[in-house]
Amino acid sequence: DTGVSQNPRHKITKRGQNVTFRCDPISEHNRLYWYRQTLGQGPEFLTYFQNEAQLEKSRLLSDRFSAERPKGSFSTLEIQRTEQGDSAMYLCASSSGGLDNQPQHFGDGTRLSIL
Amino acid sequence: AQSVTQPDIHITVSEGASLELRCNYSYGATPYLFWYVQSPGQGLQLLLKYFSGDTLVQGIKGFEAEFKRSQSSFNLRKPSVHWSDAAEYFCAVVTGGYQKVTFGTGTKLQVIP
Repeated sequence: DTGVSQNPRHKITKRGQNVTFRCDPISEHNRLYWYRQTLGQGPEFLTYFQNEAQLEKSRLLSDRFSAERPKGSFSTLEIQRTEQGDSAMYLCASSSGGLDNQPQHFGDGTRLSIL
Repeated sequence: AQSVTQPDIHITVSEGASLELRCNYSYGATPYLFWYVQSPGQGLQLLLKYFSGDTLVQGIKGFEAEFKRSQSSFNLRKPSVHWSDAAEYFCAVVTGGYQKVTFGTGTKLQVIP
């Protein structure tokens, strides 16, 4: 169990640029989640994948955001035309499913700073 | 809709003193409750969880939490705080068919010598 891995750890970019983050879940986990955490707040749910299918998206996920999990393994989260309000920590989590198999295992996150 | 409330934004305790962090939840069904800890710039580490059964659950690092259905609470406790416990603590509930986690706003713990 190597844990959930997220890259990059930090991303600094100018407003209007596109950014992409990657998450590698624990290998046997079929469920993958993305959360966003702003300063002074708890993480907020963004989206959920079961294998390669994206089954739920939060209203927080505007149309500038897109997430994929093409082969049911790693996932990417892309933000297009970044805005100041996108500055946050983006956390990925994975689990093997079923309430008795909780909790989700979290990565260390990608911190995004928009200049 | 489900929600989690952590009424204390910031708590300061002396090293060696006891600690209690409050958490209240709002959820119609039996909740699955968690406490996570987050050090600066890091991800979330699970301290303990409650699914069913004994309402007093033990976790890592000497933490425990008690589920009280009548009060809709799941408070975290530690009898003697260490300086390394300084971090932010999040109470959370798992809800819905996809088991997404709803977090509280967190309580930042400061430990003074």
